[in-house]
This record gives sequence, structure tokens and C-alpha cells, in this order.
Amino acid sequence: EVQLVESGGGLVQPGGSLRLSCAASGFTFSDSWMQWVRQAPGKGLEWVSRMDTDGTFITYADSVKGRFTISRDNARNTVFLQMNSLRVEDTAVYYCVKDSSASNWGQGTLVTVSS
Amino acid sequence: DIVMTQTPLSSPVTLGQPASISCRSSQSLVHSDGNTYLSWLQQRPGQPPRLLIYRVSNRFSGVPDRFSGSGAGTDFTLKISRVEAEDVGVYYCMQATQFPTFGQGTKLEIK
Repeated sequence: EVQLVESGGGLVQPGGSLRLSCAASGFTFSDSWMQWVRQAPGKGLEWVSRMDTDGTFITYADSVKGRFTISRDNARNTVFLQMNSLRVEDTAVYYCVKDSSASNWGQGTLVTVSS
Repeated sequence: DIVMTQTPLSSPVTLGQPASISCRSSQSLVHSDGNTYLSWLQQRPGQPPRLLIYRVSNRFSGVPDRFSGSGAGTDFTLKISRVEAEDVGVYYCMQATQFPTFGQGTKLEIK
């Protein structure tokens, strides 16, 4: 069974940083593209970033480009999202998502940016 | 960016009756590899999204056959043949042909 478990969310002040992790199991992680998608409270889905199997191909939404960095450790079956210079509008549940067709989703981790 | 527009945004449906959601993209979703990367997702209240349909018309593992997807180019449709109570939630279309984008979501509720 595919499992994606996010961690690292919490309350942070504007301008602060957080690092999200997503531990994957139940599939060959090193063969899968991985993505991050977020959902602000009461709002729709917004794609954040994606990367291919070895980090050769990485893309970001314009709203986070230059502030967020996606990375992965295939030996630990984990994908990360380093979030710097956080803004109030980054407040959302962040989901870890398997492959480009969004086949599997984690439960999400809540990031709250507030003073 | 490709803009995805869903209609309707809200759909009250009687149990056992069909439902249909449309999704239109601002550009063709046919990728240079010949595939069309259009997915449909369901988000039940308080739950993460769940994949229903990928590449326009392929049902994902475990998805009931009352869900079906169709379309081509820029126009796509999700159909539920007979709505059940567990189908209540918000439905999103998503394209991954270019940088991924989502439709605004369609709220399915029971009349």
C-alpha cells in the first residue's frame, strides 16, 4: 500500500523558514516523480513544485520561486520542501503527491504563517 | 500558465441520478509525447484529494466504475452514472501537460 506521511508543519512568523518532509513507502520511490501541492484554508488546490526521479528536472510555481526548494533523498525514500522567506499567504495545508498524475496524496501538514 | 475552468461550480444532485462536470483548458492539453495529462480528483470533506481518473479516461485503482472521464484537446467531462451519498465533496480537474494547474473545484451535494 502506498503511504505518504508529511511532517514539519507548524506556526512560523513572516520571514521565517520551515522544512517539510514526506516519508514514502509501498512503492519504488526512486522511480517516481514527486510533487508538493498546497491548499489554503477553505480554498482550492495550488501546485507548488515537482521534481523528477533524480533531481534533474525541477519546477516551481511563480508564487514560490526563489523562496522554496524541493529535494529528495532516494536512499531514505523522502522528499523535502525547504521554505524560506515565508509570507502570510503561504498559510496552507501542504500535501506530498506521488507522480505527475497525482496518483497518491499524503494527509497533509499545516503551515501557518502569522505574527 | 494553462487556465482550467470548471462548470458548474456547484451541483445539487438527487441520489441515484447522474451528474456531470465539465472542464475546459485555455490551451490544448496534448503533450508532445502524444499523451493528454488531464486528471480528475475527488476531495471528500476533511480528507486529502484522491485520484479518480488519469489521462482523460483511465480509472485509477479502486475507483468505482460509475465514474468515467472523456474529452480531448481542451474540453473534458467527468460523469457519475448514479450518484451515491459517499460521492459528496469537491471535484477538481488538473492538467500536467505543462506546469500543473487545477480547476476551481465543483462542489457536489445531495438535494
